[in-house]
Amino acid sequence: ILNVEQSPQSLHVQEGDSTNFTCSFPSSNFYALHWYRWETAKSPEALFVMTLNGDEKKKGRISATLNTKEGYSYLYIKGSQPEDSATYLCAFTTSYDKVIFGPGTSLSVIP
Amino acid sequence: GAVVSQHPSRVICKSGTSVKIECRSLDFQATTMFWYRQFPKQSLMLMATSNEGSKATYEQGVEKDKFLINHASLTLSTLTVTSAHPEDSSFYICSARDWGLAQYDTQYFGPGTRLTVL
Repeated sequence: ILNVEQSPQSLHVQEGDSTNFTCSFPSSNFYALHWYRWETAKSPEALFVMTLNGDEKKKGRISATLNTKEGYSYLYIKGSQPEDSATYLCAFTTSYDKVIFGPGTSLSVIP
Repeated sequence: GAVVSQHPSRVICKSGTSVKIECRSLDFQATTMFWYRQFPKQSLMLMATSNEGSKATYEQGVEKDKFLINHASLTLSTLTVTSAHPEDSSFYICSARDWGLAQYDTQYFGPGTRLTVL
């Protein structure tokens, strides 16, 4: 059974703090790893897709890294702002086109 | 770009009735659409994958006669929950994918539908 795990389940940080979350996925049959941001009452929004071991992606204050050999990805947020409050989902796609989502990390940034 | 709408956003129905949920890609053609269900505090669980003009592929454990999926055009997929029961109450969300538009297999999501069956 393919399983994607995310930690922590939830996180409360002060505005200005930097934070990071982890996504763990199977290290075999890897095709891609996605990060999505899901704000309350909105649609999940694609943040990054990474496909190669060692990939690093950055968008503003948010960045992500990928280790396909050991099966994990980190998402970093530098200087968290209240508008970063959301649930962050990772999704693992296998080489045979099966997508499995993690349960998400819920981030609350306190002003 | 890449906007997906979903309607209705919230529906309450009586046990035994059927409910139809629509998923539309507004500004692109979606070769593939996905339907997910989310239980409280759990992951998005894939229910089925549908390609335009062909029958949906259901995940193991999902009753295809209960959750009817139709993907009649490149911009519209529908999920019909037939003879709904209280245990079908959940959050249903669709997504769309187009290989020509997205990076790799990025999915574009609708906002979801909260179904409550009384």
